[in-house]
Amino acid sequence: QITLKESGPTLVKPTQTLTLTCTFSGFSLTTSRLGVGWIRQPPGRALEWLAVIYWDDDKRYSPSLMGRLTITKDTSKNHVVLTMTNMDPVDTATYYCVHTSYSNTWSLDYWGQGTLVTVSS
Amino acid sequence: QPVVTQPPSSSASPGESARLTCTLPSDINVGNYNIYWYQQKPGSPPRYLLYYSSDSDKGQGSGVPSRFSGSKDASANTGILLISGLHSEDEADYYCMIWSSNAVVFGGGTKLTVL
Repeated sequence: QITLKESGPTLVKPTQTLTLTCTFSGFSLTTSRLGVGWIRQPPGRALEWLAVIYWDDDKRYSPSLMGRLTITKDTSKNHVVLTMTNMDPVDTATYYCVHTSYSNTWSLDYWGQGTLVTVSS
Repeated sequence: QPVVTQPPSSSASPGESARLTCTLPSDINVGNYNIYWYQQKPGSPPRYLLYYSSDSDKGQGSGVPSRFSGSKDASANTGILLISGLHSEDEADYYCMIWSSNAVVFGGGTKLTVL
């Protein structure tokens, strides 16, 4: 059974750096054709994709946020970490961790419950 | 990044069918893309429903009923999610998604009301 759980601060101040951890089980990121990504959703608004890291350490980022994001993995701990620099109130959102796998196509097939991050002074 | 357009709202009655659309910009061809669909209910994460590329290349998410299906309208450059035999519990937000240049793009979502 695949599960993912996000953890990190619920409140950050403007200009600070956000660090979120995704802890997963039921799969290993050493397995080929797997990845873990991050997606966020501001309150009452649409989904926005942020980044993904693949089993081979390939990384992809949202073009609009690329300079602020870093995604890394620790396969020994089954963790994926996302850092976002220079946080702003517009970054207030629920942040989701997502499992992606390739079977004819790359689907975002398992989602964590999400963690709400508020940016406020 | 392309802008993927979904109507903000749609409604239908129980037992009827709902047809939700996902329109790609004119400079990209829906025929070249897999269209993914997600369902999100209040307070829950999105749930993967299915993807559709063609009648010979499509896939259903785990446990997703067959009354959820995908298609395309090439003339409108649009992906379509068809939900047949609507249930009250189908009331939710629905998001479409594509991969473009190794990045994910979501549509703005459609709120489906089951009257």
